[in-house]
Formats: sequence, C-alpha cells, structure tokens
Amino acid sequence: AQSVAQPEDQVNVAEGNPLTVKCTYSVSGNPYLFWYVQYPNRGLQFLLKYITGDNLVKGSYGFEAEFNKSQTSFHLKKPSALVSDSALYFCAVRDGKGSQGNLIFGKGTKLSVKP
Amino acid sequence: DAGITQSPRHKVTETGTPVTLRCHQTENHRYMYWYRQDPGHGLRLIHYSYGVKDTDKGEVSDGYSVSRSKTEDFLLTLESATSSQTSVYFCAIGYGGSARRYEQYFGPGTRLTVT
Repeated sequence: AQSVAQPEDQVNVAEGNPLTVKCTYSVSGNPYLFWYVQYPNRGLQFLLKYITGDNLVKGSYGFEAEFNKSQTSFHLKKPSALVSDSALYFCAVRDGKGSQGNLIFGKGTKLSVKP
Repeated sequence: DAGITQSPRHKVTETGTPVTLRCHQTENHRYMYWYRQDPGHGLRLIHYSYGVKDTDKGEVSDGYSVSRSKTEDFLLTLESATSSQTSVYFCAIGYGGSARRYEQYFGPGTRLTVT
C-alpha cells in the first residue's frame, strides 16, 4: 500500500535561515508526490508536485522539493524562511486506485518561523 | 480556491441527529472528495466521487454516506452523528486534465461539533 511519513511533528526555524520539512514515501510503482500548505482556519493549498522529470521541483511561494529515489524521500525546502511561512505542511502520495487516484496524506508538520 | 464553497462553515449538533454538509463547485470538475482532519491524523478520505451518481468509499467511511446528483454538488451525510465525528471536514476537487493531473484543490472547510 502507498504511504507517506512526516517524521517531524514540528520544525522551528529562524527567519532568513533555510528550511527543510521532511517526507519519506513507500509506494509500489512510480511515485506521484505532492506538498500542500495549510494556514490557520483555511483549507489546504497546493504547493508543488513530482510526477516525472527533474528531481528538483519548484513550486509556489519560493518553495521547492527534492525527489530522491534511493532514499525514498521528497523533502520540502526553501532557501530563506519568512515568518509568513509559518503553517502546517502536508506531504501526500497518489494512491493509484482508479483513473484519477486518490491522495494519501501524511500527518502534517507544523513549521514555526521566528523573527 | 478553485470555486469551491462549503456550507455550513460551522455547525454544532447533538448526538443522534442527522447532519448534511454541502460542497459546491463552479468549474465542472469530475472528481470530488470529502476528507476529515483531526489532530495527529492529518487528512483522511471519507468518500469520493468520479462523476454524477458515481461514488466510492475512502479510508474512514463508516457512519457517513454521500450523494452526487449534479456535477456541482457533493453532499456528505452523517446519518446519526456521534461525538467521534467531531472534526473539520474538507471538500476537494480533482483536476483530470494533463497539465494539472492528480492535483486536488480544497474548500474552506466545515467545523462540526457533536455534543
């Protein structure tokens, strides 16, 4: 069965420092991987996805993610964190069932960026 | 927000009463989803739809039913609400086109409290 794991419940970063939010996956077949962000009292917003191609995927708000097949990881990164990046981040993998495929989400990582 | 609205946005109900949550989309998407979000569990899929009158169960479907009689509306019903169904419920749509394939976009959520 497809699954993703986010090993850190919370990540704390100082503003201006680089940030990494970790995600590892377990899939049969090719992985289709996603990152979403949730700001307080809002729905999830799509950040980026990896389906095929370059291992470094660029997304919204200056975020990028690196797909590493040998380490089965898809970590979210940003070179310089902003206080406004503080939010809940979810990694997800496509389930593969059906033509569209449902998404299976990790439990989320709370990112806190301090001034 | 991809033209997705959810109603009501907040609801308090008593144990044993029926509750229906509505998701409405304006962009004619084929795929629609209902999730619940709980601390420590991330997002879990309740039911999904791949067309009018075509629905299927997700990971946590017990106690829930859905209906989709029109493309734009996807209804989630709790036949007899229980306290364990206190949660935040999110509706999402899925893009079937090649450019945004497998991406899902979320509504603003409904906070349901069962007393």
